[in-house]
Amino acid sequence: RKEVEQDPGPFNVPEGATVAFNCTYSNSASQSFFWYRQDCRKEPKLLMSVYSSGNEDGRFTAQLNRASQYISLLIRDSKLSDSATYLCVVNVGSQGNLIFGKGTKLSVKP
Amino acid sequence: DAGVTQSPTHLIKTRGQQVTLRCSPKSGHDTVSWYQQALGQGPQFIFQYYEEEERQRGNFPDRFSGHQFPNYSSELNVNALLLGDSALYLCASNRGGGGWETQYFGPGTRLLVL
Repeated sequence: RKEVEQDPGPFNVPEGATVAFNCTYSNSASQSFFWYRQDCRKEPKLLMSVYSSGNEDGRFTAQLNRASQYISLLIRDSKLSDSATYLCVVNVGSQGNLIFGKGTKLSVKP
Repeated sequence: DAGVTQSPTHLIKTRGQQVTLRCSPKSGHDTVSWYQQALGQGPQFIFQYYEEEERQRGNFPDRFSGHQFPNYSSELNVNALLLGDSALYLCASNRGGGGWETQYFGPGTRLLVL
């Protein structure tokens, strides 16, 4: 079983749609959780950290369920500029070894 | 405020050669991590340097080695290159060595091994 698994995608949605990404992780000792965004041929950039209480940043909402070892990202009112690959990322130890999922590609169409 | 920088941006090598990639961390950061991203995959952790020492290592062979300098910049060396080493090599930096600190990535070095 992979350490971090994501929806295989790709997701093709129209502008204005709501899209949800799911992610599961295998190591119950995981301590920190993130969503990164990666544009084509660019480096990953932090989209948001994910907290146990859930957190929201504008159109983006992240949820964490430690009992189920499940992380989600919801994007509301999708924009063309949201088109990218979304990476689910977990940090197991305290020293910063990030474990990435394979990523889910999102294409938002006009 | 300069972000993470990496050099070179692109590199072509042949099997068996050796390569050195360089990274300068974001200003104020003292911890550098290296990742390998193959096409269509997520980045995979190679190792992390803090206080000029390798502190953590992922599942990569000894052909992959590194170094951190007193100014916190870092090098990744790969010996005896294989075709499978072709990938985007990403450097990330953060402060203080703690895993809770956000890691910022550089633009990467694209390595092609022929």
